[in-house]
Amino acid sequence: QQQVKQSPQSLIVQKGGISIINCAYENTAFDYFPWYQQFPGKGPALLIAIRPDVSEKKEGRFTISFNKSAKQFSLHIMDSQPGDSATYFCAASMIGWGKLQFGAGTQVVVTP
Amino acid sequence: ETGVTQSPTHLIKTRGQQVTLRCSSQSGHNTVSWYQQALGQGPQFIFQYYREEENGRGNFPPRFSGLQFPNYSSELNVNALELDDSALYLCASSPDSNNQPQHFGDGTRLSIL
Repeated sequence: QQQVKQSPQSLIVQKGGISIINCAYENTAFDYFPWYQQFPGKGPALLIAIRPDVSEKKEGRFTISFNKSAKQFSLHIMDSQPGDSATYFCAASMIGWGKLQFGAGTQVVVTP
Repeated sequence: ETGVTQSPTHLIKTRGQQVTLRCSSQSGHNTVSWYQQALGQGPQFIFQYYREEENGRGNFPPRFSGLQFPNYSSELNVNALELDDSALYLCASSPDSNNQPQHFGDGTRLSIL
């Protein structure tokens, strides 16, 4: 049973555009929702994370929107740059619980 | 601040062999988690170690085992390797207080022939 569902599988966006990736979760006990960025040949790097007590968190060009009632959260990448081309993973966990449940990933390609 | 380091970076084994992968935690972190990432998929949790004890396990058979040492470095051991074990194995460390955030190393790419 996939506890975190991520869409789309891939995304092509022009430089300067907005990339939007969506995730939905099942377990209402989850209370920690990070996003990771992974480049080929590298491990996932923590990008931004949110707790369910806030509906939005912004760090630079990256914004997480969180909808607790719908059990959904999304990543917005504003002013997308070619250097943002990577695979993005959403994840969910509980504070104090070691296991991160990952989505299947979204490959983002930013064209010049 | 030293990040998470893993060794080796690449490894080729044959079916039935055994393998040991190593991980050094980020400075100040005493919790280590291991994940398996198959090609084109998200990482899957194998297990976590906290202060040298296993502290949670995912849906992996007993032939996947681990160790954590007093200096918080860790090993992942896999016995009786199968073709499906071919994957990127990732180690992540986290601070003591709440297990998050987890910071990942660049992984070991294991290929089974």
